[in-house]
Amino acid sequence: GAGVSQTPSNKVTEKGKYVELRCDPISGHTALYWYRQSLGQGPEFLIYFQGTGAADDSGLPNDRFFAVRPEGSVSTLKIQRTERGDSAVYLCASSLRPTSGGANEQFFGPGTRLTVL
Amino acid sequence: AQSVSQHNHHVILSEAASLELGCNYSYGGTVNLFWYVQYPGQHLQLLLKYFSGDPLVKGIKGFEAEFIKSKFSFNLRKPSVQWSDTAEYFCAVNVRSGNTGKLIFGQGTTLQVKP
Repeated sequence: GAGVSQTPSNKVTEKGKYVELRCDPISGHTALYWYRQSLGQGPEFLIYFQGTGAADDSGLPNDRFFAVRPEGSVSTLKIQRTERGDSAVYLCASSLRPTSGGANEQFFGPGTRLTVL
Repeated sequence: AQSVSQHNHHVILSEAASLELGCNYSYGGTVNLFWYVQYPGQHLQLLLKYFSGDPLVKGIKGFEAEFIKSKFSFNLRKPSVQWSDTAEYFCAVNVRSGNTGKLIFGQGTTLQVKP
């Protein structure tokens, strides 16, 4: 079956520009996550959606970062006034709804490599 | 804040050697534990997970991991590695409280297996 897809696969932009990164989760997965992975590091949590609402946005680094999931499926991560330090691979993952027992298996997409010049 | 530490950043082994990758986490409460693997050019994929029960868990491709609660550890093992195990390995923790599936990852270990 179809996995998590992310577009674009690569994005090169100039400092100060606005970018949007898209994630299409696995059908039926109500939970969606965004992570950021810098070179040589593990993925770093950004935000978690349950359905349409952001249930945990504690990982967003500052107010230049924003994410939406208006219909509870596709999500868009938006970065305003990009900075060189935003360069990283942005990963999206989806899963079934977490329960009181914690996380279900998260299925990751291929990522979007963002380069800010 | 919770954190995950992977002791080995880069491991080089010959085929048929045994593997153990260390993972420690800092959190006093109940956690779920995961190992993810990323093969060259591929997505992150789940290798194995621990939620409860038997602390020795078996995953795909002959990997296993042991949860030792007293040591806050979840080390990954494989008795005999193959060239195809060359990949990056990430340990991850999910804190159970709050019904969030947020994962906290370690910095990763790059495994290179020489044929």
